[in-house]
Parts: sequence; structure tokens; C-alpha cells
Amino acid sequence: NAGVTQTPKFQVLKTGQSMTLQCAQDMNHEYMSWYRQDPGMGLRLIHYSVGAGITDQGEVPNGYNVSRSTTEDFPLRLLSAAPSQTSVYFCASSYSSGDLNNSPLHFGNGTRLTVT
Amino acid sequence: GQNIDQPTEMTATEGAIVQINCTYQTSGFNGLFWYQQHAGEAPTFLSYNVLDGLEEKGRFSSFLSRSKGYSYLLLKELQMKDSASYLCAVTDSNYQLIWGAGTKLIIKP
Repeated sequence: NAGVTQTPKFQVLKTGQSMTLQCAQDMNHEYMSWYRQDPGMGLRLIHYSVGAGITDQGEVPNGYNVSRSTTEDFPLRLLSAAPSQTSVYFCASSYSSGDLNNSPLHFGNGTRLTVT
Repeated sequence: GQNIDQPTEMTATEGAIVQINCTYQTSGFNGLFWYQQHAGEAPTFLSYNVLDGLEEKGRFSSFLSRSKGYSYLLLKELQMKDSASYLCAVTDSNYQLIWGAGTKLIIKP
């Protein structure tokens, strides 16, 4: 059982480049989300999805797009990378379809992104 | 605004007991989670509290007081592998998770 799989693990981009961070889960979870983690700050929600075909914005959505065409996959697209997007990105999924009450998140191993 | 406060860093000795506190001010409350995150790794779920009181899971216990907006994570019989960051997160009235910045726990022999 692979759980939540994120690729790539590391990425360096130049300002203005675009790229897609991949996330896949094999647990049939309805809820999927993307977070960024920066030093000294709590995890911040970028976008989330409560099921295939449904996405919504989190706390810090600007500069990022997502889509959810299947239950398993939830890619995150950086449209035009900026140095402020240097961060560690985590994909996370949960059994609950939107109600996180007593439904812990399962995290991928993270993508360490540097934008120069 | 919504806010979760945790100490930035704590140090404890192998074999001892440590208590990591978390206070929160959020718009509503629907549960509190504790996660463990080793350096360079993903967070992993430790515990969940929604009712007042103590939940025990082996060497780890988590306490919640909803009236005080307060929780703590208690780690007993500390081992070197417990060196990690501990993240407190609260589910607000919209069932969104609000995260603390985490407490880095350093265990010394």
C-alpha cells in the first residue's frame, strides 16, 4: 500500500518557469489537499478537493492551480514561479469528504522547491 | 483572527517526561490533532481530541480543555527517536484545519 505519493522530491526552478507537482493516493480518499510549509510558520493550505471534479481555494491559493479529474490524482501547477514560492510542499489526503472531524490526514513525503 | 500558539523549541532528557502545550483561538472548534514530524519528513498523525479530558496511547497522551482553549501532548519515557517537531492543529467551525508552527523537541542522552 503506497499511501500518498508525491513527485518530484526536489526541484529547482528559475523565476517565471512553470511546473506541476504530482500527487497520487491509493487509499480511495475523497479529500485531498496541498499545503506549503515554511520555517517558523504553520502549514498553510493552498487548495483542496472534496472529491473528483471539485476543487476549492485554501488560505494561500495565488499563483497555483489544481484539478481533480480522478479520485486518485491531485496535481498542483505553478503557473509562473516566483522566489516567494520557495518552500516545502505537502500533499495530504483523508477518508472524510470535507469533514475533517476525527479523520486524520495522510501526508506525502513532500517536494522541496527552490525558485531562483 | 485565528491563532494557535506552541513553544518554538523544548529540550528534554532521554527517559524523562515532557509536556508540550498548545493554546488556540479559533472561530469554532471541531477537534484538535497532534502530529509528529521528523526533520525532512512528512507529518504523521499522533492523536485526536474533541471532548475534554485525557486520551492515552502508549507513551503518548493528549489532553484537551475546550473552555480554556488549551491542549497538551505528554510524552513519557522519552527515547532519542522522539526528537522531532510536534504540530498542533485545530478544526474550526468550517472544518478547516488551522495549524500551529510546531514545537521542535530535542532529546539529550
